[in-house]
Amino acid sequence: DTGVSQDPRHKITKRGQNVTFRCDPISEHNRLYWYRQTLGQGPEFLTYFQNEAQLEKSRLLSDRFSAERPKGSFSTLEIQRTEQGDSAMYLCASSVASGGTTDTQYFGPGTRLTVL
Amino acid sequence: AQKVTQAQTEISVVEKEDVTLDCVYETRDTTYYLFWYKQPPSGELVFLIRRNSFDEQNEISGRYSWNFQKSTSSFNFTITASQVVDSAVYFCALSEVWGQGGKLIFGQGTELSVKP
Repeated sequence: DTGVSQDPRHKITKRGQNVTFRCDPISEHNRLYWYRQTLGQGPEFLTYFQNEAQLEKSRLLSDRFSAERPKGSFSTLEIQRTEQGDSAMYLCASSVASGGTTDTQYFGPGTRLTVL
Repeated sequence: AQKVTQAQTEISVVEKEDVTLDCVYETRDTTYYLFWYKQPPSGELVFLIRRNSFDEQNEISGRYSWNFQKSTSSFNFTITASQVVDSAVYFCALSEVWGQGGKLIFGQGTELSVKP
């Protein structure tokens, strides 16, 4: 099985620019998660999708952030008008879940964003 | 509120020593899952173990073992006969089942350095 993939792996941008990241989950995984990890910290939850529906967004996800999963497969995370504080590793994870169970989340390699 | 605490920020050992990484969690739910992930220098989070709150049996997998104690809300991880390849940041995480979508709450991580 192919694991979770993310593109690009690294992104350097200037403050004020828009950036978009892509995540391709493990095939047939119906849940897809986005996390953000800053240096020396554990990952923090941003949002998740079950199929194409975005079911929860963290308060960390300001209005400048938007995520989509249009066909229930890959997902995109867009950051508008980037700020230096957005510099972080953005991690994507996927899992299979149904009902009230929680399955294991498998993570991609991440996209490291640097805002100059 | 859900919280995971990994009090040890950094641990340094010499190869072949045993090492225990501590994890203490807080949750109001009676049903939850606990996880350990490894993050090597490459950055990708690697799944190690998932444990249901109803299963307090200790688990051993090769040189790895986990001790789950609900009475003290701890889920500690021991590496026996450590090797240089074990050097990484290790994260403990908590996931509640109902109403939370399975999102992971991570601790701050413990950076393990195994010296030859």
